[in-house]
Amino acid sequence: EPEVTQTPSHQVTQMGQEVILRCVPISNHLYFYWYRQILGQKVEFLVSFYNNEISEKSEIFDDQFSVERPDGSNFTLKIRSTKLEDSAMYFCASTQGLGETQYFGPGTRLLVL
Amino acid sequence: AQSVTQLGSHVSVSEGALVLLRCNYSSSVPPYLFWYVQYPNQGLQLLLKYTSAATLVKGINGFEAEFKKSETSFHLTKPSAHMSDAAEYFCAVSDAAGFQKLVFGTGTRLLVSP
Repeated sequence: EPEVTQTPSHQVTQMGQEVILRCVPISNHLYFYWYRQILGQKVEFLVSFYNNEISEKSEIFDDQFSVERPDGSNFTLKIRSTKLEDSAMYFCASTQGLGETQYFGPGTRLLVL
Repeated sequence: AQSVTQLGSHVSVSEGALVLLRCNYSSSVPPYLFWYVQYPNQGLQLLLKYTSAATLVKGINGFEAEFKKSETSFHLTKPSAHMSDAAEYFCAVSDAAGFQKLVFGTGTRLLVSP
């Protein structure tokens, strides 16, 4: 069964460093999302992406964040200068169409020291 | 703005007992509603979803949920709990229109005792 994959599974970085989180959505999906879950808290929407542009973003998704789909398969989330409060589990999700199920990847646990 | 409230951060049941996890939503537009399950150190797996068809929705692993517009509720039930049901359960809502970001509740941890 097709699945969303994410790499790395864990990432430890120093405050102020740039990180890139990678996702490979399901191949025929068109809509892509990033969510995050700070430890012990609820899952929060960050950004949605369709047709090579951001379709919606939350207030969390400030200028330090960016997303891109550099080729036909990868979907990346970049944090330019990480802060301690960026420590969280980051989930990628994709869906074939609006109204369809969003399938989630296993997540990348980011720890900023 | 849409929101979801899950009553009870922890629910404990005995194996074989009824599982009832509560979810109330707030939405100014017709909602889509979802229940996701998260096992330890894993991602989110869809249990079931309501997208304006039948109000009683059956999902995987014997779970079901009923959309009640008058009560703005979408409670999750299972007649008989198994040990393997122990996990975190998240209710979520999205717009029927737009790009349908999911807005999650705070989650309910289900504990199942023998």
